[in-house]
Amino acid sequence: DVKVTQSSRYLVKRTGEKVFLECVQDMDHENMFWYRQDPGLGLRLIYFSYDVKMKEKGDIPEGYSVSREKKERFSLILESASTNQTSMYLCASSSSGTGGDGYTFGSGTRLTVV
Amino acid sequence: AQSVSQHNHHVILSEAASLELGCNYSYGGTVNLFWYVQYPGQHLQLLLKYFSGDPLVKGIKGFEAEFIKSKFSFNLRKPSVQWSDTAEYFCAASRRGTDKLIFGTGTRLQVFP
Repeated sequence: DVKVTQSSRYLVKRTGEKVFLECVQDMDHENMFWYRQDPGLGLRLIYFSYDVKMKEKGDIPEGYSVSREKKERFSLILESASTNQTSMYLCASSSSGTGGDGYTFGSGTRLTVV
Repeated sequence: AQSVSQHNHHVILSEAASLELGCNYSYGGTVNLFWYVQYPGQHLQLLLKYFSGDPLVKGIKGFEAEFIKSKFSFNLRKPSVQWSDTAEYFCAASRRGTDKLIFGTGTRLQVFP
């Protein structure tokens, strides 16, 4: 069964900490995405990557960075965590092409910043 | 700017009632359209998708959606809901030829027995 695996289901971090959220996919997908999901706001795109070492900003990149050193792994980094980054973070991947296959999502990481 | 709108934020139905969830998109050019579902405690799953061809698309679990180009809409329907359909439903769109999805704000569906 194909998978997108997020390393942590729940995380609690302190304000100011540097936080790493890891995502690994085993489908040899070119594209990977990070979203945050908040009640009433839906899913908002933070960053995405169409290839190794490549990244593009999404709609809400402020306070975040990403790393993609290997095709299967896409990391989201909170440089200095703040309470307004408390959220559910979702990783997704897709194969390149027409864009019509949709995404495969991970189970999410619920991050609480205190 | 590209956007996807879902007008129903919270829908409450009894079992066997019919369902229609609205979705409108604002995109230039040709789009791919999707409905995703998130059951309580589970990850997002693809319900159905539209690329081209027949504007009436059938998905899993008896769901269907109709693409109406003139109305920029892609509404989700089910003739008779079940308690197990309780979930949050997200409409999404991408420009043809890209993989970047824009999501709506979601509709929370509660079905009571």
